[in-house]
Amino acid sequence: NAGVMQNPRHLVRRRGQEARLRCSPMKGHSHVYWYRQLPEEGLKFMVYLQKENIIDESGMPKERFSAEFPKEGPSILRIQQVVRGDSAAYFCASSTGQEGEQYFGPGTRLTVT
Amino acid sequence: EDQVTQSPEALRLQEGESSSLNCSYTVSGLRGLFWYRQDPGKGPEFLFTLYSAGEEKEKERLKATLTKKESFLHITAPKPEDSATYLCAVRRGGSNYKLTFGKGTLLTVNP
Repeated sequence: NAGVMQNPRHLVRRRGQEARLRCSPMKGHSHVYWYRQLPEEGLKFMVYLQKENIIDESGMPKERFSAEFPKEGPSILRIQQVVRGDSAAYFCASSTGQEGEQYFGPGTRLTVT
Repeated sequence: EDQVTQSPEALRLQEGESSSLNCSYTVSGLRGLFWYRQDPGKGPEFLFTLYSAGEEKEKERLKATLTKKESFLHITAPKPEDSATYLCAVRRGGSNYKLTFGKGTLLTVNP
């Protein structure tokens, strides 16, 4: 049973470009969460999605960030017009339900130059 | 606001030297306390979930315990392969999906 998959593992973008991060949940999981880990800080919740629905995006910056989890295909976290402060590790987690354990992917390390 | 504080920030042990990591929390209506292990450059790996004070769970050399204000991760006779960052997280009632994480304890076990 494959775990949570994320790609790319490393992404380098220049300031002003767009970054697209992809997450495929574990088989049988329909709940997806995105977290961000900044250097020297803990993991911070960004957004919680179920298929075709955003349930809670309270941790997402109001501008430039968006997320989706379409009926078919992976969940995508999109960052428009990236700035240096967006450099971080972005982790996706999935679960079978709201109260299930969250299993994390290997992360995407975004570097903005 | 939910808060999770882990101590110490870093811990260096000799192989076989048992110790404990601490996770103090403040959360409204705890609906789970979680321990994860994170190796450099990788994602957090799930270890344990604890739900109520007095609960204990064990896995190999690790044992997690829970009180109303804190959790401990006890490491018995650690080996070098136990070296990692250990993360604690809480989930509150009412929004029972969002995890609030501490900053972690970096454990190094020397041979």
